[in-house]
Amino acid sequence: RKEVEQDPGPFNVPEGATVAFNCTYSNSASQSFFWYRQDCRKEPKLLMSVYSSGNEDGRFTAQLNRASQYISLLIRDSKLSDSATYLCAVNMSPLSGGYNKLIFGAGTRLAVHP
Amino acid sequence: DTGVSQDPRHKITKRGQNVTFRCDPISEHNRLYWYRQTLGQGPEFLTYFQNEAQLEKSRLLSDRFSAERPKGSFSTLEIQRTEQGDSAMYLCASSSPAGRGPHEQYFGPGTRLTVT
Repeated sequence: RKEVEQDPGPFNVPEGATVAFNCTYSNSASQSFFWYRQDCRKEPKLLMSVYSSGNEDGRFTAQLNRASQYISLLIRDSKLSDSATYLCAVNMSPLSGGYNKLIFGAGTRLAVHP
Repeated sequence: DTGVSQDPRHKITKRGQNVTFRCDPISEHNRLYWYRQTLGQGPEFLTYFQNEAQLEKSRLLSDRFSAERPKGSFSTLEIQRTEQGDSAMYLCASSSPAGRGPHEQYFGPGTRLTVT
């Protein structure tokens, strides 16, 4: 089983739709969680960190469910410019090692059409 | 531009040749990371520096790979005797222990390596 798993998609949605991605992680010692956006042949760009209480940034909402070991990203009112691959990443706690590296999922592709 | 920079952006080399990539992190970021990404996959961790000390290396980092950060600022990643399987995007990231997001990593544009 991969340490971080995502549905590869693609998710094809019309403009204005609401879309949600989930990401599951296998190591319960995971401590920090992030969503990155990656455009084709570009570097990952940090979209948002995911806090235990959940957090929102404009049209984007991230949530963490430690009991079920998954994080989610909700995008409201999708724009054409949201089309990209969304990568989730987790960082382990210092006690379990791997504290300094991010472990990424393979990403979920989103295509927003007119 | 105060982001992470990498050089070169593209490198085409023949199998068996050595290549070296450079990464300049965000100013005052003392943590620097190297990752490798192949098509359809997320970035995979290669190695981590805190200041000039290399504190963690992945098992992916074979003996042909070496990374340095001699003065705690820029870093280099060298691949000796390149193989076709080394073809990938090599990404550098940096982070700072301070601030709201102490472990938020910011990526450079990457070096795309093609081994022919």
